[in-house]
Amino acid sequence: NAGVTQTPKFQVLKTGQSMTLQCAQDMNHNSMYWYRQDPGMGLRLIYYSASEGTTDKGEVPNGYNVSRLNKREFSLRLESAAPSQTSVYFCASSESGGSRIVLGAFFGQGTRLTVV
Amino acid sequence: QKEVEQNSGPLSVPEGAIASLNCTYSDRGSQSFFWYRQYSGKSPELIMFIYSNGDKEDGRFTAQLNKASQYVSLLIRDSQPSDSATYLCAVNTNAGKSTFGDGTTLTVKP
Repeated sequence: NAGVTQTPKFQVLKTGQSMTLQCAQDMNHNSMYWYRQDPGMGLRLIYYSASEGTTDKGEVPNGYNVSRLNKREFSLRLESAAPSQTSVYFCASSESGGSRIVLGAFFGQGTRLTVV
Repeated sequence: QKEVEQNSGPLSVPEGAIASLNCTYSDRGSQSFFWYRQYSGKSPELIMFIYSNGDKEDGRFTAQLNKASQYVSLLIRDSQPSDSATYLCAVNTNAGKSTFGDGTTLTVKP
């Protein structure tokens, strides 16, 4: 049982390049999330998907797009990378409990992205 | 005002002491509350969740929730050096989105 798997673990991009971060979970969770974490800060939500086929913007969506390919996979795309997008990116998944109370999230190991 | 605020830290306690981590939130519609532990260079790991007012205990960890005061805390009893990490408070609304605080870094000194 791998949990949440992200690829790649490290990436260096030049300004203006594009790339897609991949995320897959094997826990049959409905909800998936992309966060970024900058030094000394908490996690900021980029996009989330409450269920297969739906996506919604989070706190910091500008410069990113997402695709919920199926229940397992949720990808994050940077169309034109900027130095301000240098960060650690975490994918997470969670299941909803009764009364739509969302249970705690399980996180992938993170992608350390540097844009030069 | 930030949606979720935590002790600015860092917090340092001696081994064996009680560490107290605090978190306040602004959205009165929040329904579920979580504490995550994050070791340096690692991903967050869920350690406690609480939905109802009062205390919830799990081993050396106790989460406390007071919805009227919009306050949630985490107590770590008999703190160990292995508890040294950043602790993140997260709050979920009924819409299912988690909002995180900036974290409090705890150091337990032997």
